Amino acid sequence: IQMTQSPSSLSASVGDRVTITCRASQTVGRSLNWYQQRPGRAPILLISASSLLQSGVPSRFSGSGSGTEFTLTISSLQPEDFATYYCQHSYNTPPENTFGQGTKLEIK
Amino acid sequence: EVQLVESGGGLVQPGGSLRLSCAASGFIFSNFDMNWVRQAPGKGLQFVSYISKKSSTIYYADSVKGRFTVSRDNAENSLTLQMNSLRDDDTAIYYCARESFGGTYSTFDVWGRGTLVTVSS
Repeated sequence: IQMTQSPSSLSASVGDRVTITCRASQTVGRSLNWYQQRPGRAPILLISASSLLQSGVPSRFSGSGSGTEFTLTISSLQPEDFATYYCQHSYNTPPENTFGQGTKLEIK
Repeated sequence: EVQLVESGGGLVQPGGSLRLSCAASGFIFSNFDMNWVRQAPGKGLQFVSYISKKSSTIYYADSVKGRFTVSRDNAENSLTLQMNSLRDDDTAIYYCARESFGGTYSTFDVWGRGTLVTVSS
């Protein structure tokens, strides 16, 4: 299964609403996770199973989708949200190519 | 506090070997499958290896198969990645990550800070 994110990079301003898309080459059901990685830091889990917000993650983050198309939406960008976001499927094993290539969210 | 701490990275020549360790604390290590994920400079996340709770199932990325060996010691709460025949393109930050299951899906819910491996002559 290949995971493709779009766009690869995105410029936006504080307060903007942004959406990142992740497409799978075949169905992954709802077994799709989103991670945030700030520069120089390890990734952190934001959303699991397409739409389950992890404890402590602000409610401005939301996820949706099933099958082959998924979205991560940030409703009102905050300065700390400028980071790279990765989708990951957990539909089958072995987990080769489990991550998307990432979407870098930059300040406009 | 749930924590993973990697160690063992460094500079090694092509063809050399390195042994990475990941020390787990704050949770029952033997209850979780574990993974190694790497990130080459300026690149994205790449799965490297997976080991199940009792080491009964192991997976490797095709790019490291036959060169890397993953193991764990549940008594010592530790995960290890033995890396042999290292190549320039193995240069990356190596993260260990805990895998948690939620029914029909799993997540990498805890990550270490990573350890940098540089392969260069």
